[in-house]
Amino acid sequence: AQSVTQLGSHVSVSEGALVLLRCNYSSSVPPYLFWYVQYPNQGLQLLLKYTTGATLVKGINGFEAEFKKSETSFHLTKPSAHMSDAAVYFCAVTGNTGGFKTIFGAGTRLFVKA
Amino acid sequence: DARVTQTPRDKVTEMGQEVTMRCQPILGHNTVFWYRQTMMQGLELLAYFRNRAPLDDSGMPKDRFSAEMPDATLATLKIQPSEPRDSAVYFCASGPDGEADTQYFGPGTRLTVL
Repeated sequence: AQSVTQLGSHVSVSEGALVLLRCNYSSSVPPYLFWYVQYPNQGLQLLLKYTTGATLVKGINGFEAEFKKSETSFHLTKPSAHMSDAAVYFCAVTGNTGGFKTIFGAGTRLFVKA
Repeated sequence: DARVTQTPRDKVTEMGQEVTMRCQPILGHNTVFWYRQTMMQGLELLAYFRNRAPLDDSGMPKDRFSAEMPDATLATLKIQPSEPRDSAVYFCASGPDGEADTQYFGPGTRLTVL
């Protein structure tokens, strides 16, 4: 069984400040981990993903995430927030179970203040 | 630029009516997913297909929902009869083939059942 917990339904940062969105997962098999972003009235789009190999993953728009197996975490960071980063961010997990089922977290809405 | 398309984008209907939502996955993608998004429940997986065969539809209310892939270019989600609690945004997503693959989301169908 797999699950995802995103800590904080809302996060507010100032423009130029560090963005940190937290995600913890539970998986009985080696996980594949994803961060997706959703802008208003749009579908989700991929920011980055971890499958195997290097644990620090870089994505689009300056975001990165680090897979920490010992902490079962996959937190998303960006050094300097931009107004255009305001959106809802979803962490998701699948696993090599042959089932293709993706479990999404509840989402974290990021607010960026000028 | 290949995209998942969904029709209609918006649908308002009255309780008891049949609703059909359509999705055209990206050409060559072998997996198709249907999700429902609401404020209360977040993003829920309703059903998914691989090579047009249903793999899991345990997330769907069986008595009123049905999902099919008549061919590789069309996926449908049908609700009959519709109820006010079905009001939500319904997303279709497609992916190449593997569990580590990115899912590409369509723009969604916003359903309102009065």
